[in-house]
Amino acid sequence: QVQLQESGPGLVKPSETLSLTCAVSGGSISSGIYYWMWIRQPAGRGLEWIGRISTSGTTNYNPSLKSRVTMSLDTSKNQFSLRLSSVTAADTAVYHCARDCRISSCVVYGMDVWGPGTTVTVSS
Amino acid sequence: NFMLTQPHSVSESPGKTVIISCTGNSGSIASNFVQWYQQRPGSAPTTIIYKDNQRPSGVPDRFSGSIDSSANSASLTISGLQTEDEADYYCQSYDTSNRGVFGGGTKLSVL
Repeated sequence: QVQLQESGPGLVKPSETLSLTCAVSGGSISSGIYYWMWIRQPAGRGLEWIGRISTSGTTNYNPSLKSRVTMSLDTSKNQFSLRLSSVTAADTAVYHCARDCRISSCVVYGMDVWGPGTTVTVSS
Repeated sequence: NFMLTQPHSVSESPGKTVIISCTGNSGSIASNFVQWYQQRPGSAPTTIIYKDNQRPSGVPDRFSGSIDSSANSASLTISGLQTEDEADYYCQSYDTSNRGVFGGGTKLSVL
């Protein structure tokens, strides 16, 4: 059973870069049928899709964050990462990584596996 | 930009049926599959409906999904409400550039 686990600093200073990693266990990140995603949720608010990366390294980002977001894949460590630059207090949120399956043979189509989330606070 | 709109909150009594709507603002909601996620406080979302109306293994058949193309909307129906169904529910789909889109979420209270 595939599991995801986010890790990274819980506190980031304004204007600095937020860096998070999602470790994938129980399966290979190189499986070509999945996309790997980041989603965030400010306290008391809804889910916001940040972006995704495919196993070939192709990325799609939320237009509202595109200028500040970079996602990457490390197949040797079976993990993927998020970098969000020039953060402000508005970037304070719980950040989830997730797996997205978009083909007909998926057992569950869509975002079928989620990490528990990690809280990131932007404050000086 | 493609957006999905949900009611902020709904409430109903145990044993009753509740319907949560998810309306697209442009294009056709039927162009991409709609998923529904349940999120309890402090936990990650879990899939309760995928591909508009499919249930993952383990999800009770009290949960069902549907699409109304004429209204450009999707609906989640929960019948025989139980107190354990109290949670936030999110619809989700994709835009024409394959970017994920979530509805704003609906808080379900079972009174």
